[in-house]
Amino acid sequence: DGGITQSPKYLFRKEGQNVTLSCEQNLNHDAMYWYRQDPGQGLRLIYYSQIVNDFQKGDIAEGYSVSREKKESFPLTVTSAQKNPTAFYLCASTLMGTGNTIYFGEGSWLTVV
Amino acid sequence: AQSVTQPDIHITVSEGASLELRCNYSYGATPYLFWYVQSPGQGLQLLLKYFSGDTLVQGIKGFEAEFKRSQSSFNLRKPSVHWSDAAEYFCAVTSGTYKYIFGTGTRLKVLA
Repeated sequence: DGGITQSPKYLFRKEGQNVTLSCEQNLNHDAMYWYRQDPGQGLRLIYYSQIVNDFQKGDIAEGYSVSREKKESFPLTVTSAQKNPTAFYLCASTLMGTGNTIYFGEGSWLTVV
Repeated sequence: AQSVTQPDIHITVSEGASLELRCNYSYGATPYLFWYVQSPGQGLQLLLKYFSGDTLVQGIKGFEAEFKRSQSSFNLRKPSVHWSDAAEYFCAVTSGTYKYIFGTGTRLKVLA
């Protein structure tokens, strides 16, 4: 089945540790995105990438890093610099072009303990 | 600036009643509009989308939405709500570039 796979579903992190969330898609989509979701705040864009080896900061990129070494993969690292990382993280992808639908993975819960 | 407003944070309806969720957008160019549904702890699933043409769009699960350019609205409707429709609903807009703007969501509760 084609889709977007995020792993792990649940992740616990101690303060001061970096963690990496995985996102893989087999839809042959060009663009990939990471969003953060907090209750009552909707979706906020962290990073996006339109092409391999290139990515841009979104609205809340501080404390996060990404890479795009392969078209199908877009991992997100939550660094220790992120002051409030506990949240639900969503990976998404879309074809480049006018008004294409954006598709989402099932999300990853990150909790700092 | 581009924006999407969902004025209702929470809506409660009885099972079998009709539903309308509001979405207003602010956009200079022709918008491409979407409605998504999210169950707790899950990703977003596309319900329907509007690109052009007929302003009344049919989607999955019996949902429809109407694009009204004069009111900058794209409201989601369903004639008879089922208990399984309880979820959070997001309206989104894009210009056709990389950027997708999402509303803050409306949480729907369905009473038996």
